[in-house]
Amino acid sequence: DAGITQSPRYKITETGRQVTLMCHQTWSHSYMFWYRQDLGHGLRLIYYSAAADITDKGEVPDGYVVSRSKTENFPLTLESATRSQTSVYFCASRDTSGFTDTQYFGPGTRLTVL
Amino acid sequence: SQQGEEDPQALSIQEGENATMNCSYKTSINNLQWYRQNSGRGLVHLILIRSNEREKHSGRLRVTLDTSKKSSSLLITASRAADTASYFCATDAGGNNRLAFGKGNQVVVIP
Repeated sequence: DAGITQSPRYKITETGRQVTLMCHQTWSHSYMFWYRQDLGHGLRLIYYSAAADITDKGEVPDGYVVSRSKTENFPLTLESATRSQTSVYFCASRDTSGFTDTQYFGPGTRLTVL
Repeated sequence: SQQGEEDPQALSIQEGENATMNCSYKTSINNLQWYRQNSGRGLVHLILIRSNEREKHSGRLRVTLDTSKKSSSLLITASRAADTASYFCATDAGGNNRLAFGKGNQVVVIP
């Protein structure tokens, strides 16, 4: 199926553990993004990627690591999870063909850090 | 940094009424986009308006853009219960294909 998927959809982990959130898109969009959504803050950009092997920091990158070895995948890793990283995480890809110029969002991963 | 700021933050209306939301931003933009988020879901793109456009329509949606005031409005006409959602504006200032999202505007349509 075409689209953007995230896994897992729900994750509970403990402080200090490493967690990886997966994101996969089937459109071959060059740009991909990771956001976190918290009450009162809206969506905040964590990291983004312009292409395979090209990544850059967003607004709130501390405590997160990304990689992009393939165009279609953009995993987000929390190296040592903290309670403040409890949030809903959204992955998105962007159609930069110039026709729609919009972002397409995955369904989100709800992460709880105990 | 966050650019879009929606106003008002929460809106409750009766089915059939119109809903209007506003968004202000701070810097020059290439385009402004509106997204909808249903509870527990990802954001879905609704409409995009470019900086050289003043008004755009899509079905029951009408978006206006005033670049001199750095503001936009989203009007949903003849609202339906299914329009209950959070609505976000996002600005594209160009250069790196990033969008800056506002904090969102919750709309509740009462049947």
